[in-house]
Amino acid sequence: KNEVEQSPQNLTAQEGEFITINCSYSVGISALHWLQQHPGGGIVSLFMLSSGKKKHGRLIATINIQEKHSSLHITASHPRDSAVYICAVSRYSGGGADGLTFGKGTHLIIQP
Amino acid sequence: DGGITQSPKYLFRKEGQNVTLSCEQNLNHDAMYWYRQDPGQGLRLIYYSQIVNDFQKGDIAEGYSVSREKKESFPLTVTSAQKNPTAFYLCASSIRGGTGANVLTFGAGSRLTVL
Repeated sequence: KNEVEQSPQNLTAQEGEFITINCSYSVGISALHWLQQHPGGGIVSLFMLSSGKKKHGRLIATINIQEKHSSLHITASHPRDSAVYICAVSRYSGGGADGLTFGKGTHLIIQP
Repeated sequence: DGGITQSPKYLFRKEGQNVTLSCEQNLNHDAMYWYRQDPGQGLRLIYYSQIVNDFQKGDIAEGYSVSREKKESFPLTVTSAQKNPTAFYLCASSIRGGTGANVLTFGAGSRLTVL
């Protein structure tokens, strides 16, 4: 079983819809990251959070440490939000030398 | 503007050749990382450096080599020993390394294709 699981793997929605992407993890963490990868390939860090909720524009990230679960929400979605969204965790121990474990990503397409 | 520059963006290699991917950052970050991305898989760590002149192997270091002679630079060499080098390679950096929470900054990536 993967230590970081994202759902759904693929999501297609219409412009304007409210989008939710989920991330569950099974290890102890010091922080959780949400990353965005556009078709060109470069990755941008959207959020790093260790508790509660963060908001940036139309993006909202929440985390529930007890349930080991995080969600990324997009309000009033737009075609430019089409991208792969990646969840990653900074671990207290284990994992790679960098202390990070990545999910496989959620491929989001917003149709006009 | 500060950031990470990777080059080249696209690279074609014949089997048996070594190639070097460049990664330069002007963010004054201590830690630098190289990841490999394959379709349907999460990012996998190749090499990681917390500080100049020090680096650690990641999960898939075989067939790759790195150097960290300057804080700003962390080049990755894909050697002929790497059996399946065709992939997308991402360089990243953070203010510091370790298991604490550090925001990552990524480069635009380099796509390597072996002919």
